[in-house]
Amino acid sequence: LAKTTQPISMDSYEGQEVNITCSHNNIATNDYITWYQQFPSQGPRFIIQGYKTKVTNEVASLFIPADRKSSTLSLPRVSLSDTAVYYCLVGDRGYQKVTFGIGTKLQVIP
Amino acid sequence: DTEVTQTPKHLVMGMTNKKSLKCEQHMGHRAMYWYKQKAKKPPELMFVYSYEKLSINESVPSRFSPECPNSSLLNLHLHALQPEDSALYLCASSHPGTPDPFFGPGTRLTVL
Repeated sequence: LAKTTQPISMDSYEGQEVNITCSHNNIATNDYITWYQQFPSQGPRFIIQGYKTKVTNEVASLFIPADRKSSTLSLPRVSLSDTAVYYCLVGDRGYQKVTFGIGTKLQVIP
Repeated sequence: DTEVTQTPKHLVMGMTNKKSLKCEQHMGHRAMYWYKQKAKKPPELMFVYSYEKLSINESVPSRFSPECPNSSLLNLHLHALQPEDSALYLCASSHPGTPDPFFGPGTRLTVL
C-alpha cells in the first residue's frame, strides 16, 4: 500500500488560496488519489479524486505531476468554515483497504 | 437517497453490556466499512464487507462482531468492551472497487 505524508498543520487567512501537498512516493500504477475533509465529530466527506494532471470541481482542484509521487489539493479563497482536517488517500480501484494517513489540520484565521 | 445513516448517535455502555451499532444506506453500494476513530487521530479501518461477505478484518478483537444482513444494512455487535474502546465509530459504503467510501455521521461510543 502506498504510504502518504502530509504536513500536520497549516494556518491560512480568510480569502487566501490554500495548497496542501501530499507525498506518495511508492504510488502504484493503478492507484487513485482521493482527498477527504473532516470536521470534529463528523464523518469524513469526499472532496476530490484524480489519477493524473489536474482535476477541478466546485469545491477544490487537485494537481498531480507526471511522476504522480505527490499531489496538491488547492482550496480557493478559504473561509472560516474550511477549518477542518484534510486527508490524502491513495488506493487501487480494485482494492478496498482504504486507509487514512495522519491528515493536515487546516486552521483558517479571520 | 445519498446518505449513510447510523444509529444511535451516542451510546454509553458498561463493560458487561451487549449493544449493537447500526448502519444503513440506500445508494446501491455493495461494499460497506466500519472504522474506529479516537480523538485527534485518523479513522482506522476495522472491517470491510463486499457483496455481504466479510472481505477485510484488520485483526480486530473478537469483542467487536460485524454483521451484514443484507446489501443495505451493516451492524457492529459489541460485547465486553473496554474503556479504551471509547471512540467515534464510522460506517461507510461504496461501489466495490472504488477507493472513495461515503461516510455516515458516526456513533459516539463511551465505555464506562
